[in-house]
Amino acid sequence: DAKTTQPTSMDCAEGRAANLPCNHSTISGNEYVYWYRQIHSQGPQYIIHGLKNNETNEMASLIITEDRKSSTLILPHATLRDTAVYYCIVQAYNNDMRFGAGTRLTVKP
Amino acid sequence: EAQVTQNPRYLITVTGKKLTVTCSQNMNHEYMSWYRQDPGLGLRQIYYSMNVEVTDKGDVPEGYKVSRKEKRNFPLILESPSPNQTSLYFCASSLNRAVNTEAFFGQGTRLTVV
Repeated sequence: DAKTTQPTSMDCAEGRAANLPCNHSTISGNEYVYWYRQIHSQGPQYIIHGLKNNETNEMASLIITEDRKSSTLILPHATLRDTAVYYCIVQAYNNDMRFGAGTRLTVKP
Repeated sequence: EAQVTQNPRYLITVTGKKLTVTCSQNMNHEYMSWYRQDPGLGLRQIYYSMNVEVTDKGDVPEGYKVSRKEKRNFPLILESPSPNQTSLYFCASSLNRAVNTEAFFGQGTRLTVV
């Protein structure tokens, strides 16, 4: 599976959009981009995933560049409850998820 | 409610005393796996199961066993726990191993081996 690179930490003001970048320059054509988050020491929670096109659900939006070498997770109106570690994972068919260090997002009042 | 349930949530045990951490899912998922999480090392996969009676090693299987006799259950067995197995453990399940499916995680089991 392709390796991902994420910033170690980021801050965001409450109510503003949080934009979390992820670099996956070695991604191959059959690999999806997944985002999960982990709040404190709870189990990771699925957020969103995509292959080529941008995706949006009730939690977030996922923007994947045209060359697929990077992506951005957007939380449109961050709240204090969005403070968590966010993991960007690239996963191919029939392979298992590999978690990196993720980005620690702190939403501040 | 769709969920993955682990028990116990917290466990303190002594070196060498066999223990089992249970994991159950109510979503009829084929694929289940176990992870451990340690500071600075992130989440690492221990074992996975693609279906009943089909299990395989993940990245850090040493010192662990698993079984998958029923689709819903995937217990993690530590035959002779050692202090280096002190960790936070997560069970996960997904519809199958293919991409385009999300994984559901349990609440975690914090294990301390003294």
